[in-house]
Amino acid sequence: ETGVTQSPTHLIKTRGQQVTLRCSSQSGHNTVSWYQQALGQGPQFIFQYYREEENGRGNFPPRFSGLQFPNYSSELNVNALELDDSALYLCASSLGGRGKMNTEAFFGQGTRLTVV
Amino acid sequence: QKEVEQDPGPLSVPEGAIVSLNCTYSNSAFQYFMWYRQYSRKGPELLMYTYSSGNKEDGRFTAQVDKSSKYISLFIRDSQPSDSATYLCAMTSNTGFQKLVFGTGTRLLVSP
Repeated sequence: ETGVTQSPTHLIKTRGQQVTLRCSSQSGHNTVSWYQQALGQGPQFIFQYYREEENGRGNFPPRFSGLQFPNYSSELNVNALELDDSALYLCASSLGGRGKMNTEAFFGQGTRLTVV
Repeated sequence: QKEVEQDPGPLSVPEGAIVSLNCTYSNSAFQYFMWYRQYSRKGPELLMYTYSSGNKEDGRFTAQVDKSSKYISLFIRDSQPSDSATYLCAMTSNTGFQKLVFGTGTRLLVSP
């Protein structure tokens, strides 16, 4: 167990709906990253949050947004769901800072989202 | 063309075999290189990481990085059925474990 927990584990949504996924980071970690892993593919970086601010974003549209809370837990929100959003969404927590070395990133078990 | 290329497999080997897993990449700015293991329905788990070029050994696992060829490898000695999983290479140009760029993963099957 990594200490990173994600909820829910599985979710089915209809195209056009909105979804919120949650991540509780490992104790002592201040950085949370979100990744999307489509079936048969490697994880793709969505964005990273450091101390409640977005600190880098991958090639994902604005309908993917996030939050990080003072306790360093995080949410990923996806609006206007599309069929291609069906994937495993992974959260990873680490300890780091702007321009500093980030320690090992520990992944949660993921949330499997199915859009129908 | 993807920044990181990895053969998806599956790679099937008998128990006890030496396994070689590889990735190539195109971005010369990558400086941290990782190997993750992912079991079905689980998140990735870090196996090894290397900074810049060179070799690193940890038990049955050896990671190699050749930056001149933009080629990284993971060797598994005395493979076990419990090693059956998907192996993902990952790399980044940032400091440490952030904004990782992953390969597609290679599925490894070790038969008893």
